[in-house]
Amino acid sequence: KQEVTQIPAALSVPEGENLVLNCSFTDSAIYNLQWFRQDPGKGLTSLLLIQSSQREQTSGRLNASLDKSSGRSTLYIAASQPGDSATYLCAVTGNQFYFGTGTSLTVIP
Amino acid sequence: GAVVSQHPSWVICKSGTSVKIECRSLDFQATTMFWYRQFPKQSLMLMATSNEGSKATYEQGVEKDKFLINHASLTLSTLTVTSAHPEDSSFYICSAPSGEQFFGPGTRLTVL
Repeated sequence: KQEVTQIPAALSVPEGENLVLNCSFTDSAIYNLQWFRQDPGKGLTSLLLIQSSQREQTSGRLNASLDKSSGRSTLYIAASQPGDSATYLCAVTGNQFYFGTGTSLTVIP
Repeated sequence: GAVVSQHPSWVICKSGTSVKIECRSLDFQATTMFWYRQFPKQSLMLMATSNEGSKATYEQGVEKDKFLINHASLTLSTLTVTSAHPEDSSFYICSAPSGEQFFGPGTRLTVL
């Protein structure tokens, strides 16, 4: 069964710092990987989708990479802002959809 | 992008009652929809896969008689929590695929 792990579980950084969130998965047979943002008590907002044939995707200050063979993905956030504070989830799609454990990010003004 | 809606956005009910949550794909059709549950400070957990025109597929440990799923049309799936108890209080989210997964805004259920 696919297991998706995110490290660190929580992260606190001062405003303006660049940061990296990590996601690892045990089964490399995936169709795609998505990164989501979840604000407290809210639904999910899709940030980036990487198809299994792709190695990275970029949107604004966000860059996500995928190394399927090693079962890893990273989400890079440049020049962090307080508004980036949220929980970030990665999810992989294989036969089913599997979510990671999440990273709670706090950006301190 | 595609839009998925959920109704209600929050509900409070008494223990022992049943609650129905709707998930709609507003501008696309979905033969499959997914239901998730999230307890406080925990990640989302897939509960079941809703299949239009056939029975839902439940994840291990999810009681299918308690969480009734009906995928009546290509744009609507419903999750009914039967005989709800306080431990069912949670945040329920649905998603539907249209290229990528699109998520509903979630329904917060509180059982008193």
